[in-house]
Amino acid sequence: SQQGEEDPQALSIQEGENATMNCSYKTSINNLQWYRQNSGRGLVHLILIRSNEREKHSGRLRVTLDTSKKSSSLLITASRAADTASYFCAHGSSNTGKLIFGQGTTLQVKP
Amino acid sequence: DGGITQSPKYLFRKEGQNVTLSCEQNLNHDAMYWYRQDPGQGLRLIYYSQIVNDFQKGDIAEGYSVSREKKESFPLTVTSAQKNPTAFYLCASSPLGRLGGTGELFFGEGSRLTVL
Repeated sequence: SQQGEEDPQALSIQEGENATMNCSYKTSINNLQWYRQNSGRGLVHLILIRSNEREKHSGRLRVTLDTSKKSSSLLITASRAADTASYFCAHGSSNTGKLIFGQGTTLQVKP
Repeated sequence: DGGITQSPKYLFRKEGQNVTLSCEQNLNHDAMYWYRQDPGQGLRLIYYSQIVNDFQKGDIAEGYSVSREKKESFPLTVTSAQKNPTAFYLCASSPLGRLGGTGELFFGEGSRLTVL
């Protein structure tokens, strides 16, 4: 399967702490993306990092990409209760135009 | 407002029935996608279309069919051949080619199908 893997599967932290989620993939990519999903809702795009980039920031989000290890991480700093959601990484195939999603990390931020 | 609309939000089906899930977008995007989401398994690609009148199978296309007669519409039919259709179905679209063919996806709010 080309599906990526994420860890941890579940993460519970206190408000104000940082949350780190990791993602690994198997194929060559042209970009890697992170999405957020609130329970029972559609996914919302958070950030995209291209294969020639190593780090990218967006507000309280920081994404890193290591193509030699085929891995990425998402850091959410100073977490809030409203950050409670599932987070998915997705990698774009260089050839097919498909976007393949990982299984997700469920984040709970306790107030 | 621009976006993707999926309907119905909830759908119940008896075994042996075909059902069609609607997906409409007014973003003028070329590419559209259907994903299935089961608990603990993330999203799996069913079908995708990069241009009108053309579509490709994803990883789990068996028991499903699609059409792409108009740019803004990409309906998914769950046929009676799909053995375990109870799931959350998500439609998405993307402006193809903006970032090498796999740009940002814009998702609808999903359709939850339950087989009785």
